[in-house]
Amino acid sequence: DTGVSQDPRHKITKRGQNVTFRCDPISEHNRLYWYRQTLGQGPEFLTYFQNEAQLEKSRLLSDRFSAERPKGSFSTLEIQRTEQGDSAMYLCASSTTLGQGASEAFFGQGTRLTVV
Amino acid sequence: AQSVTQLDSQVPVFEEAPVELRCNYSSSVSVYLFWYVQYPNQGLQLLLKYLSGSTLVKGINGFEAEFNKSQTSFHLRKPSVHISDTAEYFCAVTRRGNAGNMLTFGGGTRLMVKP
Repeated sequence: DTGVSQDPRHKITKRGQNVTFRCDPISEHNRLYWYRQTLGQGPEFLTYFQNEAQLEKSRLLSDRFSAERPKGSFSTLEIQRTEQGDSAMYLCASSTTLGQGASEAFFGQGTRLTVV
Repeated sequence: AQSVTQLDSQVPVFEEAPVELRCNYSSSVSVYLFWYVQYPNQGLQLLLKYLSGSTLVKGINGFEAEFNKSQTSFHLRKPSVHISDTAEYFCAVTRRGNAGNMLTFGGGTRLMVKP
């Protein structure tokens, strides 16, 4: 397994267009997270899946954002009617559920979105 | 809710010198603590984590960190840095237990190692 994979690595889109990003987690990981990172800032949590269930969403996730993980494997993050403020790096991470303690979250290389 | 403050946005240091990157957190519940490193145009890589036990934790690439509960700090240290350590470093916390474990990150510290 080569780790968490994200596609595309870069996306330039015009304001108002829809975009979709894909994340393939490490195969045995049942937890998947999306984060957003703007320039010069730390990543901010967007949403979390355990298997196919979306268990938590941040208030940062406006109605224009939707995420799915249909079969508990890969996930997609869609942004509708993009705005310039959506320009950021979108990071995906995955982890396992351990009996005790927090498991390490493994991050993908991210998708950099630029809205022009 | 949790919050993380990284007190220095940039830390310049000469090669082979020691370095400390500061991290303070605030939380109403007990937390686990992490340090991640991010190289340009890359994702985040875990350096080390504190879950329980000894408050001094050792990580990869010669880094270590010490958890101080009374000062709510988790400072990262390296006794001798290399040019290759130049990167962005993020401190993060998540609440104890096994529910979700979403990370709250600090704003990051850019470590700049000069020859």
